[in-house]
Amino acid sequence: DAEITQSPRHKITETGRQVTLACHQTWNHNNMFWYRQDLGHGLRLIHYSYGVHDTNKGEVSDGYSVSRSNTEDLPLTLESAASSQTSVYFCASSDVGRGASDNEQFFGPGTRLTVL
Amino acid sequence: GESVGLHLPTLSVQEGDNSIINCAYSNSASDYFIWYKQESGKGPQFIIDIRSNMDKRQGQRVTVLLNKTVKHLSLQIAATQPGDSAVYFCADKDSGYSTLTFGKGTMLLVSP
Repeated sequence: DAEITQSPRHKITETGRQVTLACHQTWNHNNMFWYRQDLGHGLRLIHYSYGVHDTNKGEVSDGYSVSRSNTEDLPLTLESAASSQTSVYFCASSDVGRGASDNEQFFGPGTRLTVL
Repeated sequence: GESVGLHLPTLSVQEGDNSIINCAYSNSASDYFIWYKQESGKGPQFIIDIRSNMDKRQGQRVTVLLNKTVKHLSLQIAATQPGDSAVYFCADKDSGYSTLTFGKGTMLLVSP
């Protein structure tokens, strides 16, 4: 069965360190997304990609970067981790948009990141 | 002290009751409105969507109502079950884009 996985599931790091969160999907979806989830803020879009070598900034992109070298993976990098980046991070993917076909995003299980 | 802004709105119902979860949106240009369910410790999961030119759509035990005049969306769950306990998010999508804008969520608690 197709799936979307994230690793690690839990990560503790120190302020100033570079951290990379992995996201891998086997749906063969062109669209991939990264969100952070914080209580009181819901899900906020960090970065997204519509295909290989395409990346776009979302609502809260400062301090984060992504790269898309193949269809399956969209790693999220925190260049210099800050305590404000302590959060739960979700990766998602969706089919190419044709009307409603990309309304359904398939989410990974999340990565809980703590920055001390 | 605690900040009210950090608490999720919560709806508590008895098993078998009908539940109504509400959402207000602000983007008049949104083409689709979507509901997601997030169980504890999991990622959100798609429930149902509705296009902006519709005012009602039914799924299995769920109905979404859209009132564009007052920019209001609701999700009705019939015969609520304990397995429906989760956080529910509404989201909207602009025509031509694949990105979603999520609301802050409502927690539904179903007691047996």
